[in-house]
Amino acid sequence: TQLLEQSPQFLSIQEGENLTVYCNSSSVFSSLQWYRQEPGEGPVLLVTVVTGGEVKKLKRLTFQFGDARKDSSLHITAAQPGDTGLYLCAGEGDSSYKLIFGSGTRLLVRP
Amino acid sequence: DAGVIQSPRHEVTEMGQEVTLRCKPISGHNSLFWYRQTMMRGLELLIYFNNNVPIDDSGMPEDRFSAKMPNASFSTLKIQPSEPRDSAVYFCASSTSGNTIYFGEGSWLTVV
Repeated sequence: TQLLEQSPQFLSIQEGENLTVYCNSSSVFSSLQWYRQEPGEGPVLLVTVVTGGEVKKLKRLTFQFGDARKDSSLHITAAQPGDTGLYLCAGEGDSSYKLIFGSGTRLLVRP
Repeated sequence: DAGVIQSPRHEVTEMGQEVTLRCKPISGHNSLFWYRQTMMRGLELLIYFNNNVPIDDSGMPEDRFSAKMPNASFSTLKIQPSEPRDSAVYFCASSTSGNTIYFGEGSWLTVV
């Protein structure tokens, strides 16, 4: 069974601080996605990483896929209150349509 | 462009009642997914349709759950009879095969 564990589960930080969220598994994934979910809404795709060691940047967000394609990280620089939400990683499972979601990291950025 | 549209947004029902959740996928998308999200289990895939045909229903919890997709623009998820442990947020999502999955805003179900 493929599982994705995210850490930390909860994170409360001050505006302007940096943070890193981790997504780990013992399984290899062909690709990994990161989503942000705001209260009362569905998850929205932020990025997809495919190649081991790949780094992608989206403004203040930096995503990295581990060399072995078993883990990933999301780093946010100078966090803003608008970054508040639930961050979910999701790996492509045995079938291309089947995403395995992590349990999520709930981020609160205080003004 | 309209996104994935789900209804109802919120439903409170009594145990034993039938619940029907509805979904209109994004026009032109040929893949449709029903997910369930709870605090304990996170986001789980219940069923996947491709071109209106159920491809994978291995995530459907039990026979009380059923899903249909009579045409490319409509799908339903039905729970009969409902139980308190079915309380969750149910998301419908759609995509074109292999591409970005777009989620609806979810249907918040409470069974009392």
